[in-house]
Amino acid sequence: DAGVTQSPTHLIKTRGQQVTLRCSPKSGHDTVSWYQQALGQGPQFIFQYYEEEERQRGNFPDRFSGHQFPNYSSELNVNALLLGDSALYLCASSLQGEKLFFGSGTQLSVL
Amino acid sequence: DAKTTQPTSMDCAEGRAANLPCNHSTISGNEYVYWYRQIHSQGPQYIIHGLKNNETNEMASLIITEDRKSSTLILPHATLRDTAVYYCIVRGGGAGSARQLTFGSGTQLTVLP
Repeated sequence: DAGVTQSPTHLIKTRGQQVTLRCSPKSGHDTVSWYQQALGQGPQFIFQYYEEEERQRGNFPDRFSGHQFPNYSSELNVNALLLGDSALYLCASSLQGEKLFFGSGTQLSVL
Repeated sequence: DAKTTQPTSMDCAEGRAANLPCNHSTISGNEYVYWYRQIHSQGPQYIIHGLKNNETNEMASLIITEDRKSSTLILPHATLRDTAVYYCIVRGGGAGSARQLTFGSGTQLTVLP
């Protein structure tokens, strides 16, 4: 049983570009959450998707958007990248929210 | 959700019990205590959670004080692979809550050989 898988594992972009990160949830899970983790800090909640809709959102600007597909997989899109967007982006899946299972993340570097 | 306070770092000898404290003095009645850990270069891993009673699973034990204002995560026989950042998180909304997890800075546990 595959756990949460994220792609790509590493990504380098330049300021102003756009990026799309992908996540496949653990089998049987219907809820996907995205977190941003800056170096040396704990993960910060971006948003959560359930039934293809954004259910909750953290304190992130509209440049951060997402999508959930009918198969429960999800994408995180970030527009107009800033240097400060450099971070580890974590995807977590769950079944009705009790225990979150995290992927290994996508390390995004913005130059 | 209630705020948690954890020591920045702790050391533990391999094979000994690791006891990681967490203060959550403003916790309310329907808020659960969750513990996750993050090994370097990996995503956080769920360990255990509880409401008021002590809990035990194959990874750890969770001891919650009677007033619920603090808790302790116990790793009974720490190994080098338990070296990680441990996060204590308080989350409301019930056992099946969809509320997000609010991570603090956690405790860096280093298991020494």
